[in-house]
Amino acid sequence: DAGVIQSPRHEVTEMGQEVTLRCKPISGHDYLFWYRQTMMRGLELLIYFNNNVPIDDSGMPEDRFSAKMPNASFSTLKIQPSEPRDSAVYFCASKRTGARNTEAFFGQGTRLTVV
Amino acid sequence: RKEVEQDPGPFNVPEGATVAFNCTYSNSASQSFFWYRQDCRKEPKLLMSVYSSGNEDGRFTAQLNRASQYISLLIRDSKLSDSATYLCVVTRGVNYGGSQGNLIFGKGTKLSVKP
Repeated sequence: DAGVIQSPRHEVTEMGQEVTLRCKPISGHDYLFWYRQTMMRGLELLIYFNNNVPIDDSGMPEDRFSAKMPNASFSTLKIQPSEPRDSAVYFCASKRTGARNTEAFFGQGTRLTVV
Repeated sequence: RKEVEQDPGPFNVPEGATVAFNCTYSNSASQSFFWYRQDCRKEPKLLMSVYSSGNEDGRFTAQLNRASQYISLLIRDSKLSDSATYLCVVTRGVNYGGSQGNLIFGKGTKLSVKP
């Protein structure tokens, strides 16, 4: 399996522009997570899905952020309009429901810079 | 109080040393616990799950104390390759479909092993 695939790996955009981050989870995984990582705040859970349904979006910072999962193999995180404080590494992760302690696998992340 | 708290370090230790990290969590309903490792500019990867009875994997030992709500990681005979940030992870106490999907990360403890 190719693992969790995120695109793009790097994104530099101007303030006010729309940014779309993409994620393909591991096949057969029914959980998908979006995280944001900064030096100041560490890894923050933004939203997670189970069977394509958003379960907890309490970590989404503002209405400028939205996430979708139209099918089991694809999810997007959109920021519109983007601001410099959105600059961070955005990780997508997926895992499979299991009896206990199943591992979450992370993509390589998208490094977003908003100037 | 943060959901998951860790000493950020850095812990600077010589090769061969034994080093221990602690982590506290605030939600007594959390069910699953993990240690992840993150190398510089890389994605987090599972190091080990933490079971109630404690568990060992080679030089690594993880322990859970539910009464005091803390988790520990002990690394014996540390190697240069152990240099990384170690992330404590717990599930948030929200049940959906019989399992806790959320994975909440601490900010991590940085370990630097020197020759």
